[in-house]
Amino acid sequence: EVQLVESGGGFVHPGGSLRLSCVASGFPFSDYSMNWVRQAPGKEPEWVSYIDSASRATHYAGSLEGRFTISRDNVNYLLSLEMNSLRDDDTAVYYCVRETIGTNGFDVWGQGTVVTVSS
Amino acid sequence: QSVLTQPPSVSGAPGQRVTISCTGSSSNIGAGYDVHWYQQLPGRAPKLLIFGNTNRPSGVPDRFSGSKSGISASLAITGLQAEDEADYYCHSFDNSLSGSVFGGGTELTVL
Repeated sequence: EVQLVESGGGFVHPGGSLRLSCVASGFPFSDYSMNWVRQAPGKEPEWVSYIDSASRATHYAGSLEGRFTISRDNVNYLLSLEMNSLRDDDTAVYYCVRETIGTNGFDVWGQGTVVTVSS
Repeated sequence: QSVLTQPPSVSGAPGQRVTISCTGSSSNIGAGYDVHWYQQLPGRAPKLLIFGNTNRPSGVPDRFSGSKSGISASLAITGLQAEDEADYYCHSFDNSLSGSVFGGGTELTVL
């Protein structure tokens, strides 16, 4: 079964840091580009970051202002997101998402991990 | 304000047909980038319904169809069922933002 399982979410004060992890299974992880997408309560999904299959290219939403870093370990089927200088508006469910080969649709989503930033 | 514009809500009776529009601009849909559609049930992750403008993943009923023209795209749902009640989002790529963008979402109510 194709599966993505996120972990690492939690409660953090403004200015703090968190590292999210996503373990993939059931498909050849190294063949796929991956993304992080977040969704604040009651809002639409918001794309956060992209990494290609071999970590040659990474992209980030402009609103992040360089605070987040995406990485992957193809040997261990692991995707990560390092988040620093967290702000209240980073509060959201964070999803690990697989990108469809040949188009940039998001065909597999994890269950999400909740990040709450509050003083 | 979302880069892709969707109506906040649509509704229809069981068995009817509804459409959900998604309007972008020359830097996303109008630039030729594919449009994808997702269904999100309460408390669940979004699920891919349509990819590459018109394609259905395996397991998605053929009651769901997508189209694209110019700077807009549409999702059509025929033979509306109670289980279709959900939020629907469109998604594309924007070259001025160098990343994916989503519509604001449309809440479908089955009357």
